[in-house]
Amino acid sequence: EDQVTQSPEALRLQEGESSSLNCSYTVSGLRGLFWYRQDPGKGPEFLFTLYSAGEEKEKERLKATLTKKESFLHITAPKPEDSATYLCAVPGGNQFYFGTGTSLTVIP
Amino acid sequence: DAGITQSPRHKVTETGTPVTLRCHQTENHRYMYWYRQDPGHGLRLIHYSYGVKDTDKGEVSDGYSVSRSKTEDFLLTLESATSSQTSVYFCATGTGGGSPLHFGNGTRLTVT
Repeated sequence: EDQVTQSPEALRLQEGESSSLNCSYTVSGLRGLFWYRQDPGKGPEFLFTLYSAGEEKEKERLKATLTKKESFLHITAPKPEDSATYLCAVPGGNQFYFGTGTSLTVIP
Repeated sequence: DAGITQSPRHKVTETGTPVTLRCHQTENHRYMYWYRQDPGHGLRLIHYSYGVKDTDKGEVSDGYSVSRSKTEDFLLTLESATSSQTSVYFCATGTGGGSPLHFGNGTRLTVT
């Protein structure tokens, strides 16, 4: 069964303290892995798509990487405005499977 | 962004009443989806549409129905709302082929 698991569930960082979020997946025939950011009261906002192992994408302080079984979202020197829930998702059949997310809090 | 509007943004209703949520998109995307988001469960698919009048069930479809009479509109109906349907409902659209989904800002539904 297709499945997406994210860890940790919650992460508190001091401003400037770098860390990584994990997304592991089990899906046959990967057709992309997607990262989203969700702020309270808003819908998920698309960040990155990764299509093949070894691929990397960057946006400001975020860098996403992909292996054959998992993806990492690296956050370098985070700022309080990076606080949000980060979701990953993979397509399977005609739908997308989402992880339950990592809630990131960056403390000034 | 895909220009996705959900209405209403908030709704409180009583058990047993019918409820319809609306999703309107301006990007002419073929695929439209209804998800619900609950603590501990993440986003779960209710129904999706792959074209006008073409819909299919997701993993949590019991108690919900959908309709898509136009490309831009996708309606989600709770025929007889129950307390277990209290949730935040998100509409999403996409073009398929491994392209990302784009989301609306959700409808918070409370069933008392």
